[in-house]
Amino acid sequence: DTGVSQNPRHKITKRGQNVTFRCDPISEHNRLYWYRQTLGQGPEFLTYFQNEAQLEKSRLLSDRFSAERPKGSFSTLEIQRTEQGDSAMYLCASSTEQLNTEAFFGQGTRLTVV
Amino acid sequence: AQSVAQPEDQVNVAEGNPLTVKCTYSVSGNPYLFWYVQYPNRGLQFLLKYITGDNLVKGSYGFEAEFNKSQTSFHLKKPSALVSDSALYFCAVRDMASGGFKTIFGAGTRLFVKA
Repeated sequence: DTGVSQNPRHKITKRGQNVTFRCDPISEHNRLYWYRQTLGQGPEFLTYFQNEAQLEKSRLLSDRFSAERPKGSFSTLEIQRTEQGDSAMYLCASSTEQLNTEAFFGQGTRLTVV
Repeated sequence: AQSVAQPEDQVNVAEGNPLTVKCTYSVSGNPYLFWYVQYPNRGLQFLLKYITGDNLVKGSYGFEAEFNKSQTSFHLKKPSALVSDSALYFCAVRDMASGGFKTIFGAGTRLFVKA
């Protein structure tokens, strides 16, 4: 499968615990994006990488959230001290540098904080 | 700020009938517009895009979209709906004001196609 891969697909955690999600983009894509989607809403932009550089973080991304892409390949999104409001689908996408190309999305990681 | 609006939360159509899912946009400069579809518990799948050129864009699964600059609209259409088209549809615009590296999505329109 040469698409965007996200792991795990589902995560249930207790409030206050830390969680980490992984995204493996399409191999030739140097742009990688994280989005969050809550029920009944469209995806909201969280952060973006060009290769290993994190170029923008949304104001939605509190200090408890951190994302990395250490070698410009896979990326991780960590949420510390999870809260119930963090429950959502976390989507990863990747694309080439060309502005006229679409982003390709993974199937997402659904986080439930209990 | 760049944005898209999907005025309908839900669209119902009978199988075999034409369908339209509406989208309007607000951008500075030329718009880069996209439609994505999402099936239950799945990620988003790209359907089609408008960058430049013909106002009628053809995409996957028989879908097409009409770009209308004067009405700032990019409505998704299909001549004959299938039950399997039932899904959540998102219109999106590339945020060129911030360098074009992020895509802004509408709230989505749920399409129900009844057999």
